[in-house]
Amino acid sequence: KNQVEQSPQSLIILEGKNCTLQCNYTVSPFSNLRWYKQDTGRGPVSLTIMTFSENTKSNGRYTATLDADTKQSSLHITASQLSDSASYICVVSAWTGGFKTIFGAGTRLFVKA
Amino acid sequence: KAGVTQTPRYLIKTRGQQVTLSCSPISGHRSVSWYQQTPGQGLQFLFEYFSETQRNKGNFPGRFSGRQFSNSRSEMNVSTLELGDSALYLCASSPVTQQGGENGYTFGSGTRLTVV
Repeated sequence: KNQVEQSPQSLIILEGKNCTLQCNYTVSPFSNLRWYKQDTGRGPVSLTIMTFSENTKSNGRYTATLDADTKQSSLHITASQLSDSASYICVVSAWTGGFKTIFGAGTRLFVKA
Repeated sequence: KAGVTQTPRYLIKTRGQQVTLSCSPISGHRSVSWYQQTPGQGLQFLFEYFSETQRNKGNFPGRFSGRQFSNSRSEMNVSTLELGDSALYLCASSPVTQQGGENGYTFGSGTRLTVV
């Protein structure tokens, strides 16, 4: 069964600290993996996208990694800011004659001053 | 360049009523997908329309339906509303059908539906 599991479910960190969010998937055959940031009451915004051959992708203070062998991805946030408080959603797509996209439940990040 | 526009932003309806939500995609985007987001379930795919045709459908009851117009604008309808339909409904647009290629989505800000 195609699944995307994210951990932790929620996280509280102090401003300026780093954090890492995890995404494990069983989606097959793998096509690509995206990380989205979703502010409260808004739609998700794409942060990074990685295909099978890519191990790392950065977008400012956000760095995503992908291990296609273990089917794991992480999103590392450096020097967190208050504006990083949001939900982070891992999305994995598979090609099965047509694209199937499976969304993780998200990690809720709270950055405190 | 205008983004994906969803209207209305907020809506309160009574059980048993029906509701219609609207989504205007980015200019030139022909694919519109709809999602339901609840705190417990995360994002759940409802359906995708491309060139006025439904291309893909999630596991939702027949009370949830949609359509797409020739200008790519899309509407989603929910009939006989239930309390459990309270959610944020998101629309996302893409240049091509997700069946033909995955080029990423641009999401709207959503419509917050509350059923009382």
